[in-house]
Amino acid sequence: DAMVIQNPRYQVTQFGKPVTLSCSQTLNHNVMYWYQQKSSQAPKLLFHYYDKDFNNEADTPDNFQSRRPNTSFCFLDIRSPGLGDAAMYLCATSRDGGQGVPLFGQGTRLTVV
Amino acid sequence: AQSVAQPEDQVNVAEGNPLTVKCTYSVSGNPYLFWYVQYPNRGLQFLLKYITGDNLVKGSYGFEAEFNKSQTSFHLKKPSALVSDSALYFCAVRGYSSASKIIFGSGTRLSIRP
Repeated sequence: DAMVIQNPRYQVTQFGKPVTLSCSQTLNHNVMYWYQQKSSQAPKLLFHYYDKDFNNEADTPDNFQSRRPNTSFCFLDIRSPGLGDAAMYLCATSRDGGQGVPLFGQGTRLTVV
Repeated sequence: AQSVAQPEDQVNVAEGNPLTVKCTYSVSGNPYLFWYVQYPNRGLQFLLKYITGDNLVKGSYGFEAEFNKSQTSFHLKKPSALVSDSALYFCAVRGYSSASKIIFGSGTRLSIRP
């Protein structure tokens, strides 16, 4: 059974049109991450939540926002997608920030047209 | 600051031969180390981790990794490669003092020829 679920698997959006990607988990993990991955490069951490505490990476563009309304769900909002934002977006969760193993969803492939 | 390096973009191995995918890390304090595998258009699948204890860690699909503190390395190994092992492999590190943050290496593409 899938434990970290990302919807949709593929998303096409128009240049400048806001888009939201979703992630849900059935593991009751307190940490949730969003990564951006381009062309088989290293996943780049955008931000993560430790419970309700939001941690933004210094180089994450302001165009990217996140919401975590409860333990199970986390959203990635891209306010005005540009062509350079086309990528695979990966959500991961872990039990805690120490020894917990981050487990990943299948990812959402975002295309900007 | 923590970092992880995978010095080889690609590793080519004949089926049945042993394979090694290299990883070195830099982190303050004791590291938590992970290996993941990624197939095309999929998320990352967890293979194994080092937290503490034995330096040789065994994981999924016959993979193992050796932690070497003096060389700050965590190389992934498998005694006998399969064609189905062909994929993209990522090493990742989390520092003890960095709470939740986990950083990935640049990835190594493993190609196993029949």
